[in-house]
Amino acid sequence: DAGVTQSPTHLIKTRGQHVTLRCSPISGHKSVSWYQQVLGQGPQFIFQYYEKEERGRGNFPDRFSARQFPNYSSELNVNALLLGDSALYLCASSLGPAGLSGYTFGSGTRLTVV
Amino acid sequence: GENVEQHPSTLSVQEGDSAVIKCTYSDSASNYFPWYKQELGKGPQLIIDIRSNVGEKKDQRIAVTLNKTAKHFSLHITETQPEDSAVYFCAASDTGANSKLTFGKGITLSVRP
Repeated sequence: DAGVTQSPTHLIKTRGQHVTLRCSPISGHKSVSWYQQVLGQGPQFIFQYYEKEERGRGNFPDRFSARQFPNYSSELNVNALLLGDSALYLCASSLGPAGLSGYTFGSGTRLTVV
Repeated sequence: GENVEQHPSTLSVQEGDSAVIKCTYSDSASNYFPWYKQELGKGPQLIIDIRSNVGEKKDQRIAVTLNKTAKHFSLHITETQPEDSAVYFCAASDTGANSKLTFGKGITLSVRP
């Protein structure tokens, strides 16, 4: 069985640009969540989608947006990139909300903003 | 919102010894507590979790204990091996429809051969 797949694995962008990160959940999982992990810190919650509806949003600016498609894959978009957006972006899938069924994380997309 | 604190930030043990990592949380509504292991260049991997209706859970060399009254939970690794060296994160969430995981800052465990 394929795990959670994320693309691309690494990305370098310039300040002010926008970026789209992609995630495919484990087959049968209907919930996708996005986390940002800054070096040396724990992951910080950005978004959760369940059955294509936004179920939660963390304390991130409106420059961050996401969506979930009918096949349950998801995109995270970040506009007007700042140097502080440099981080590992993790996607996690689960059957349902995290508290009811555990998360499985992908290996992440390493975003560097220069 | 929930606040999860993890201590110590680094831990070094001799191979074969036991390691204990402790976390505290603030929100009494939290009732799901997973532990993740993250190796370099990889995403966090769930190693064990516990729910609030259980005080202890074991899986081979790994165990987790939960004290809801004191709002703390701990990861216990026995007979440590060099491959246990990694960053370990604790997390907490409730089980509502919009639940999300709140993570601690992580601890770097080094197992000396």
